[in-house]
Parts: sequence; structure tokens; C-alpha cells
Amino acid sequence: ELKVEQNPLFLSMQEGKNYTIYCNYSTTSDRLYWYRQDPGKSLESLFVLLSNGAVKQEGRLMASLDTKARLSTLHITAAVHDLSATYFCAVTYGGSQGNLIFGKGTKLSVKP
Amino acid sequence: GAGVSQSPSNKVTEKGKDVELRCDPISGHTALYWYRQRLGQGLEFLIYFQGNSAPDKSGLPSDRFSAERTGESVSTLTIQRTQQEDSAVYLCASNRLAAYEQYFGPGTRLTVT
Repeated sequence: ELKVEQNPLFLSMQEGKNYTIYCNYSTTSDRLYWYRQDPGKSLESLFVLLSNGAVKQEGRLMASLDTKARLSTLHITAAVHDLSATYFCAVTYGGSQGNLIFGKGTKLSVKP
Repeated sequence: GAGVSQSPSNKVTEKGKDVELRCDPISGHTALYWYRQRLGQGLEFLIYFQGNSAPDKSGLPSDRFSAERTGESVSTLTIQRTQQEDSAVYLCASNRLAAYEQYFGPGTRLTVT
């Protein structure tokens, strides 16, 4: 059974600081996703990582994937208040389509 | 272009009643997924439709839950004899054949009183 664990589950940061969210998964997966969810809103896709060593960056967020360690990281650089949200990682297997298995999410709060 | 839409956005129902939730995927998306998100939790997979293939129902929590999809269009998720533990946000997602990214709708918030 494919399981996904994120840590930390809650993260309070000061603006300008750096931090990393970790996502571990239990069995081999084809790809890994990072999503953002604002309170009361749906999920917004941030990154899809498809291969070992993949690194993607968008603004102050950078995601990486180590398939051998079954680990993905989401690194936040010089956090700003607008990044406050819940971040989910999710994995799947079985080709380009198939249901996602989600972690419990990391609730990020960036304070001035 | 239009994204995934869901209706209603909110639904309050009494315990024991049946409810129907609707999802309109993005046009041309052959795959459609239903997920459930309980308060403060991650998403749980419920059911997956791919074109005209038999759906993957492995995530449905009980036989009170069922879903239908007509071809590659609208899907309805039906919950019979609702229970308080069914209270959650029900999210629908869709994607194109051979595409990796799933696009999520805004969700239906179901409250069972």
C-alpha cells in the first residue's frame, strides 16, 4: 500500500526566512506532485516531478525529487506572507493517469 | 478556458437523506476523479473514471457511495442514507489522456446534521 508522509504538519515562519517541507513515500512511484491550498479553496498545482533528480523552481518555491530515497522536498526561500497556505504532496503510479495518494498537508503560516 | 466545475458549492442535509453531487470536467478530459477531504486532512481517493472503461471504485468507503459518468462528460457522486461522518468537502478532478497534471474543481462542502 502506497503511503505518503509529510513533515512538518504545521510550520510557522518569519518573513525572509528559509525552510524545507519534506515528503516521504513508501513504495516506488511514477511521479510526485506538489499542490497548494488556500483556506476554503480548491487545490492549485505547483509542480509535477517525473524523474530522479528532478528539480523545479517557481518564484520562492523549489521542489526536488530523490526516487531512490523516496523523498521530495519543497524549499521555501525568503518567505513572504502570500505563501501562507497548506501544501500537499501526492504520489501515484501506473502511467500517466491514476488516482493520487496525498499526504496530510503542511500548514504554513508566514508572519511579518 | 473553463475549469472543472462542481455543484452545489455547499449542501446541508439531514442524516439519513440521500445527496447527489455533480462534477463537470474540463472539455476533452477523459479521466475524472472524485476525492474526499475531511476537515484539516489530506484528500482521500474515492473513484476514478477513464473514458468508457470500468471505473476504479477501490476508494469508495461503503456501499452507500456510488458514482456515475456519462461518456467523457458529467459525473454524479451519490451518497445514500448520509451519516455525520460523511461531512467533508468532495473534490472532483480531471485530466487528459497521457497528461500528468490533474485539475481540481472548487469542491462541494457537504454538512450532514
